[in-house]
Amino acid sequence: QKEVEQDPGPLSVPEGAIVSLNCTYSNSAFQYFMWYRQYSRKGPELLMYTYSSGNKEDGRFTAQVDKSSKYISLFIRDSQPSDSATYLCAMSAGTYKYIFGTGTRLKVLA
Amino acid sequence: EAGVAQSPRYKIIEKRQSVAFWCNPISGHATLYWYQQILGQGPKLLIQFQNNGVVDDSQLPKDRFSAERLKGVDSTLKIQPAKLEDSAVYLCASSLDPTGDTQYFGPGTRLTVL
Repeated sequence: QKEVEQDPGPLSVPEGAIVSLNCTYSNSAFQYFMWYRQYSRKGPELLMYTYSSGNKEDGRFTAQVDKSSKYISLFIRDSQPSDSATYLCAMSAGTYKYIFGTGTRLKVLA
Repeated sequence: EAGVAQSPRYKIIEKRQSVAFWCNPISGHATLYWYQQILGQGPKLLIQFQNNGVVDDSQLPKDRFSAERLKGVDSTLKIQPAKLEDSAVYLCASSLDPTGDTQYFGPGTRLTVL
């Protein structure tokens, strides 16, 4: 079993839809949870950074962490074609070592 | 603030040849990381530097990969000799410090080994 599981997609949604992206993990020591967005042929760009459980909102993006279920989510409201990218979740136990998911490819259709 | 710079952006070589990648982190970031991202996978950490010292190179294939960070700023990652399975994007990232701090990524170098 991988430490971090993420559905690779692709996920296609119409413009304006609410998108839900998810990761599950097995290591209960993970405390820091990140979401990165990666456009084609670009490096990952940090979207959200959360510590421990709870919700965090930033504009159209909301990150949720449920440590009891070992499950994290990223919601994108009012999705736009410019949101089309691969979304990577990453986790760490409070050290430098990030463990990444495989990424979910998202396509928002105009 | 300038981001993480990497060069070259693309490289095509034949197997058994050698190749080197260069990274310049964000100014003031003491910690530098090299990741390998194979197509369809998430980045995998190869090596981490704190200033010019190696903190973790447990996943670096040391028989063919080497990395250095002279003077604690720029870094180079070398592969010699390259294998077909080394085809990937090599990402450099940096952070202010190594303890759970945000990592910022460069655009990557896409390596194709023929």
